[in-house]
Amino acid sequence: AQSVSQHNHHVILSEAASLELGCNYSYGGTVNLFWYVQYPGQHLQLLLKYFSGDPLVKGIKGFEAEFIKSKFSFNLRKPSVQWSDTAEYFCAVASGGGADGLTFGKGTHLIIQP
Amino acid sequence: DTGVSQDPRHKITKRGQNVTFRCDPISEHNRLYWYRQTLGQGPEFLTYFQNEAQLEKSRLLSDRFSAERPKGSFSTLEIQRTEQGDSAMYLCASSGVGRPKNIQYFGAGTRLSVL
Repeated sequence: AQSVSQHNHHVILSEAASLELGCNYSYGGTVNLFWYVQYPGQHLQLLLKYFSGDPLVKGIKGFEAEFIKSKFSFNLRKPSVQWSDTAEYFCAVASGGGADGLTFGKGTHLIIQP
Repeated sequence: DTGVSQDPRHKITKRGQNVTFRCDPISEHNRLYWYRQTLGQGPEFLTYFQNEAQLEKSRLLSDRFSAERPKGSFSTLEIQRTEQGDSAMYLCASSGVGRPKNIQYFGAGTRLSVL
C-alpha cells in the first residue's frame, strides 16, 4: 500500500519569506502526484500536478513543485509567500493510470503573518 | 455553480441512527469518489465509481457503509447504525474521461456529527 508523508504539520512564516513544504511517498511504480490546498472555509482545490515529463511543474498562484524520482519526493515551493497563502496544504499520490483513489498526506497548516 | 455539490453540508445524528449523504458530480465526469476526513488528517479514500459500477472499496468501508450510483450520475453514501467514530467530514470528488482525466475535483463536504 502506498503512503504519503508530509514532514511539517505546522509552518509559520512572515510575508515575503520563501516556502518549501516536504512530501515523500512510498510507491515504486508509476505515480501521479498532486498538491491540493484548502483555504479557510473552502473546499479542496488543486494547486498543481505531475503526470509525466518535466519534473518541475508550475501551478497556480506562483507555486511550483519538483518531482525527484530517486528521492520519492514532490516538494512544494514558493519564492515569496503572501498572507493570502494561509491555508492547509495536502500532498497526494495516485498510482498507475491515476483512476484510483488518491492517497493523501496528513497536511501542513501554513500560517503567514503579515 | 457547476462544481461538485454535496448535500447536506452538516448532519447531526444520534448514535445508532442511519444517515444518507448525496453527491452530484460535475456533469460530464464519469468517475466519482468518496473520502472521509477527520480532524488533523488528510482525506482517506473510501470508494469510487466509474459510471454506475463501484470499482474499488477501501478496507475503511465497513459493512455499515454502502454507496450507490444508480444511473451513473449522482451518488449516495449511507451509514447504518452510526457510531461516534463515524464523526468526520465526508468528501466527494469527481473526474472526467477527457484530458486532464485524472484530476479529481472536490465538493465542500458533508460534516457528520454523531452524538
